[in-house]
Amino acid sequence: GAGVSQSPSNKVTEKGKDVELRCDPISGHTALYWYRQRLGQGLEFLIYFQGNSAPDKSGLPSDRFSAERTGESVSTLTIQRTQQEDSAVYLCASSLGSSIQYFGAGTRLSVL
Amino acid sequence: QKEVEQDPGPLSVPEGAIVSLNCTYSNSAFQYFMWYRQYSRKGPELLMYTYSSGNKEDGRFTAQVDKSSKYISLFIRDSQPSDSATYLCAMSEGSNDYKLSFGAGTTVTVRA
Repeated sequence: GAGVSQSPSNKVTEKGKDVELRCDPISGHTALYWYRQRLGQGLEFLIYFQGNSAPDKSGLPSDRFSAERTGESVSTLTIQRTQQEDSAVYLCASSLGSSIQYFGAGTRLSVL
Repeated sequence: QKEVEQDPGPLSVPEGAIVSLNCTYSNSAFQYFMWYRQYSRKGPELLMYTYSSGNKEDGRFTAQVDKSSKYISLFIRDSQPSDSATYLCAMSEGSNDYKLSFGAGTTVTVRA
């Protein structure tokens, strides 16, 4: 498909476990973003990757959160020692430069 | 106080009615304003993108920005059941500003 692809679509985990969320951006898009969407709240910016530049990690809520991206390809968001407050939908978006952001369907994370 | 305020609704209207949505914001540096539509269990998709104050029309959708009042609106004319979704406002300070500030979203149901 031509859109942003995220996997898994749903993830249920136990408190204290680590989780990895994956994002495949639109081919050719240089920029990639991760957002968190809590129930009833707006999207919160987490991290931004642009090409080979240093990522903007200013939105990561704690050091339990980290993300990687190799070049202009796949990105992985890792949450270590998950807590119940981490339950949310994690959305990935990509864009050409800093133009219009195209979103994936998200990963719905539930921490029990 | 949140940077962007949006009434979560829900809003229920009959088919054919005009849907009126709005957001207020506190950051006077915002210059670029967007409306996204998000269907259930899908990622947000961009509907309208406007710069500074004024109106923009695209088919049945009209976006209005009043920077003096820090108030933006989205109107949907001749609403259809397929317009049932959550509508999110978003804004940024510059055209290359990748950090979007989102409202919480308004859930709209158009009744057939």
